[in-house]
This record gives sequence, structure tokens and C-alpha cells, in this order.
Amino acid sequence: DGGITQSPKYLFRKEGQNVTLSCEQNLNHDAMYWYRQDPGQGLRLIYYSQIVNDFQKGDIAEGYSVSREKKESFPLTVTSAQKNPTAFYLCASSIRQGNGNSPLHFGNGTRLTVT
Amino acid sequence: GENVEQHPSTLSVQEGDSAVIKCTYSDSASNYFPWYKQELGKGPQLIIDIRSNVGEKKDQRIAVTLNKTAKHFSLHITETQPEDSAVYFCAASPGFRTGANNLFFGTGTRLTVIP
Repeated sequence: DGGITQSPKYLFRKEGQNVTLSCEQNLNHDAMYWYRQDPGQGLRLIYYSQIVNDFQKGDIAEGYSVSREKKESFPLTVTSAQKNPTAFYLCASSIRQGNGNSPLHFGNGTRLTVT
Repeated sequence: GENVEQHPSTLSVQEGDSAVIKCTYSDSASNYFPWYKQELGKGPQLIIDIRSNVGEKKDQRIAVTLNKTAKHFSLHITETQPEDSAVYFCAASPGFRTGANNLFFGTGTRLTVIP
């Protein structure tokens, strides 16, 4: 089955440590995204990538970094500079369309807890 | 940027009744309006979407209506079933980020269908 795999499902870290969240897709999608979900809030875009070796900041990129070395993979690093890292992180992908939006396909998320 | 408001935040209905969730948006340039369903511990899944050149779209028990003049759109679920219980998110897109989706999400509605 094609889809998006995020790992691990739960992640615990001490404050001050960097942590990397994994996202892999086998949908052959060009575009990939990272969203953050907090209780009572909508999804907010952290970073996105439309093609290998290219990525752009979203609306809340501070304290995060990404890489896109392969089409299938888009890992997110939560750095110690992120002031409120505890959240539910969602990875998504979509096909590229020249002039319009296409449906997002989401993974099942990683819940990060930093203490 | 685009601001999407979603109401109600929680909704309980009896099995078999209808459920309606409403969203408003601020940017008149928005032209794509998807709805996502998120079950506990999972990522959101697209259930229906509508583009600005149509006023209504149906898919079995689910329908979405769009009023561009008033800048609001609604999700209608008829003959609700317990498996419809989930959190529903609306989103709006005021145009395309280069090569990628540009979605702004509402804060979600937790729907509970009482058997």
C-alpha cells in the first residue's frame, strides 16, 4: 500500500537536545510538508519542499530545520532553539500541480514531548 | 494572510441525525476548500474538497457548500453513524505557494455521534 510513514509514533527528549523526526513516502509525490498541531489550534505549516534539494520556510519555521536529499524522505529536526517543541507533528505529501492545489496525504504523526 | 474560523468546536448528535460544521475565511482570493477528518491518534484524511467555481459538491452522505460572496463554506453529514465520530478540519487556500499547496486550517470540530 502506498502511503506516508512517520516514525517514531512517540518521542521523548530532554530540553536542550536536538531531535529528528522521520518521514518517508512511497507515493512518488514531489511535494512534502511538515505541520505542527497543538490542542485547540489548526495545523500550522513549518517547512515544505516541492522538489529534491529544495525546501522553503512555512509560517512557523523558527527552531526547526529540514533536508530533502531523496524524493521519498523529508526529515524534520527540532532544535534546542524551538521554545515550545512539545506538540504533535504531521508530515504530508502531494503531487505538484502547476497552477492549483492538490489533496494532501498525511502520515499518522509523531507526538514529541520535551521535558 | 488568510484567517479561517471554524464553528462549533464540539458537536454531539444522535445517530441518524445530520451534522453541520461551518467555516469562514477572510481572503477573497481563496479558491480551494478541503475538509479533513482526523481520527484519534491518526493523521487527517481528506474527505471532500470544493473549488471556487462550484457552489456545492456531494459524495454519498457528505456534502460541502460554498458561498463566495459571504466567504463561508460548510460541511454537511447526513444519517450520521458512530464511525463519523472524529475531529473535522476545514481549510482554505488563497492561491498557490510556488510548487506546493498553501492551506490555512481551521481549529477543528470534535464530532461525537451518540448511538
